[in-house]
Amino acid sequence: GAGVSQSPSNKVTEKGKDVELRCDPISGHTALYWYRQSLGQGLEFLIYFQGNSAPDKSGLPSDRFSAERTGGSVSTLTIQRTQQEDSAVYLCASRLQGRHHTEAFFGQGTRLTVV
Amino acid sequence: DQQVKQNSPSLSVQEGRISILNCDYTNSMFDYFLWYKKYPAEGPTFLISISSIKDKNEDGRFTVFLNKSAKHLSLHIVPSQPGDSAVYFCAASVGGNKLVFGAGTILRVKS
Repeated sequence: GAGVSQSPSNKVTEKGKDVELRCDPISGHTALYWYRQSLGQGLEFLIYFQGNSAPDKSGLPSDRFSAERTGGSVSTLTIQRTQQEDSAVYLCASRLQGRHHTEAFFGQGTRLTVV
Repeated sequence: DQQVKQNSPSLSVQEGRISILNCDYTNSMFDYFLWYKKYPAEGPTFLISISSIKDKNEDGRFTVFLNKSAKHLSLHIVPSQPGDSAVYFCAASVGGNKLVFGAGTILRVKS
């Protein structure tokens, strides 16, 4: 597709279960970001992948959160032993890095509800 | 440590008038600034950006102003339309790396 695609669009899980969220970035985009937006809050940075460089994981809130980006394309955000405070919309974005500044394009998000 | 701040949680404007959304930042290393618009249940969409070497960028009804000495950014929408009602986020980055977002401002344009 032409845009950033995220799946699933909605996920309801029981507390304590693991979840995987998927992001398909725009083809050719070397940078990929994960953010989350809790109810009534702004966009909280989670992790940033840039090409073959080590990812910037400084925003991951705990060691229950991890992310991978395989082959420089698809990314998976994994949350282990989910807690109710993990409920949020998880947003993925990709960006074409180059000599000039470029904007990031967002997917529609995955709404995660932990019950 | 909130490096990007949007101090107005909401703004209400009459249709046809100017909307001014403000953003302050603390990191003087930021060299690229962006505004995004977000509708409910959708991802943010890019509106307009500005490099730190400029002080103004215009695209149709949208103009972004950058005051580096004050570390202040603003988005002007004129004339405002009901379809502009959304949450607006400003964002900043250093060297094209991670984007740091503000908390957002809800804009309501009344017809």
